[in-house]
Amino acid sequence: AQSVAQPEDQVNVAEGNPLTVKCTYSVSGNPYLFWYVQYPNRGLQFLLKYITGDNLVKGSYGFEAEFNKSQTSFHLKKPSALVSDSALYFCAVRVQGGYQKVTFGTGTKLQVIP
Amino acid sequence: NAGVTQTPKFRVLKTGQSMTLLCAQDMNHEYMYWYRQDPGMGLRLIHYSVGEGTTAKGEVPDGYNVSRLKKQNFLLGLESAAPSQTSVYFCASSDRSGNDEQYFGPGTRLTVT
Repeated sequence: AQSVAQPEDQVNVAEGNPLTVKCTYSVSGNPYLFWYVQYPNRGLQFLLKYITGDNLVKGSYGFEAEFNKSQTSFHLKKPSALVSDSALYFCAVRVQGGYQKVTFGTGTKLQVIP
Repeated sequence: NAGVTQTPKFRVLKTGQSMTLLCAQDMNHEYMYWYRQDPGMGLRLIHYSVGEGTTAKGEVPDGYNVSRLKKQNFLLGLESAAPSQTSVYFCASSDRSGNDEQYFGPGTRLTVT
């Protein structure tokens, strides 16, 4: 069975500081990895994905994530946090090949403090 | 493009009542999904569809039924609502390609009393 762990329920960071939201995964096979963001009372929005190739993936709004196969991690990062980045962030994984369901993590609330 | 739309946005039901949630997408996506979001649980897949006329069970299908008679629509039905079905329901769609991201609707907040 595949799974995703987001070990922090909440991350607080000061505006202008770098941020990291952690994600680790477990799959049998090669993974596809995704990050989504959810603003209050809204649906999830896609940020970025790792399919293959370069381990550093760049996405929307200045976010990036690094795929680390040996550590089975896909941490979300941003060099300089904005107050508007405050939201709920979800990591998701699926196995490559055919149709496979996507498993979402439980989410990490990011609070950027002015 | 409207993307993925859901109706209604809010609903309150009494235990035992039935209702249907409608999801529509205008992106010609093959795959559609219904999730529920509960605090501390993340998103859990209820049912999904890989094409018109097809449906399949997800992680938590009990108490729900679905239909996909048209490619652009995916309906989620609750035949006899229970308080445990109080949740926020999200519909999503994605292209046939397995590496594509999902596009989500704005959600339906359902309360069962």
